[in-house]
Amino acid sequence: GEDVEQSLFLSVREGDSSVINCTYTDSSSTYLYWYKQEPGAGLQLLTYIFSNMDMKQDQRLTVLLNKKDKHLSLRIADTQTGDSAIYFCAESSTGGYNKLIFGAGTRLAVHP
Amino acid sequence: NAGVTQTPKFRILKIGQSMTLQCTQDMNHNYMYWYRQDPGMGLKLIYYSVGAGITDKGEVPNGYNVSRSTTEDFPLRLELAAPSQTSVYFCASRTGTGNEKLFFGSGTQLSVL
Repeated sequence: GEDVEQSLFLSVREGDSSVINCTYTDSSSTYLYWYKQEPGAGLQLLTYIFSNMDMKQDQRLTVLLNKKDKHLSLRIADTQTGDSAIYFCAESSTGGYNKLIFGAGTRLAVHP
Repeated sequence: NAGVTQTPKFRILKIGQSMTLQCTQDMNHNYMYWYRQDPGMGLKLIYYSVGAGITDKGEVPNGYNVSRSTTEDFPLRLELAAPSQTSVYFCASRTGTGNEKLFFGSGTQLSVL
């Protein structure tokens, strides 16, 4: 069945780049998403990429998609302490209600 | 803009008790969802609705019920609470016309003891 996997934890120094990786199984996914969850809050959409693209850049965020390997990554340039959060990768299923399948989330810790 | 509002934020239940988690959105979204988030796990879809009067099961519907009598409201009912239902519950909505982002509520943390 459909599955999304991520590493659970990443620690980076403030000012460095962070790269969060994700693999998925549904080759027919049309969109892939990155959501951010801050403590005590719901998820907020950071960015998404259509499956026929291989890269998308949005200010400090760069999303890379390798469709052949079903690998998605999120790069955060110049990581700040405010970037500390849990980041969820998600893929859209091809079901009629366009269900999102979420990974378990990567906790990003930014230290001085 | 209120967006998606969930109540309560926290609740402790005893085994066998019932409760309703409330969710309301003011964006006139057709699609609404209930997810649960367990520690170290991704979000799992419990139930969803594509419009008033229409609901369907997601991945983990057992022990839950929903209704959608209006576009705005999508309550989630737990009839006989069990410890396995201890989780954080998120309601979400989207317009439903294509790829749009999900708007999430801030969550309800539920403990069943």
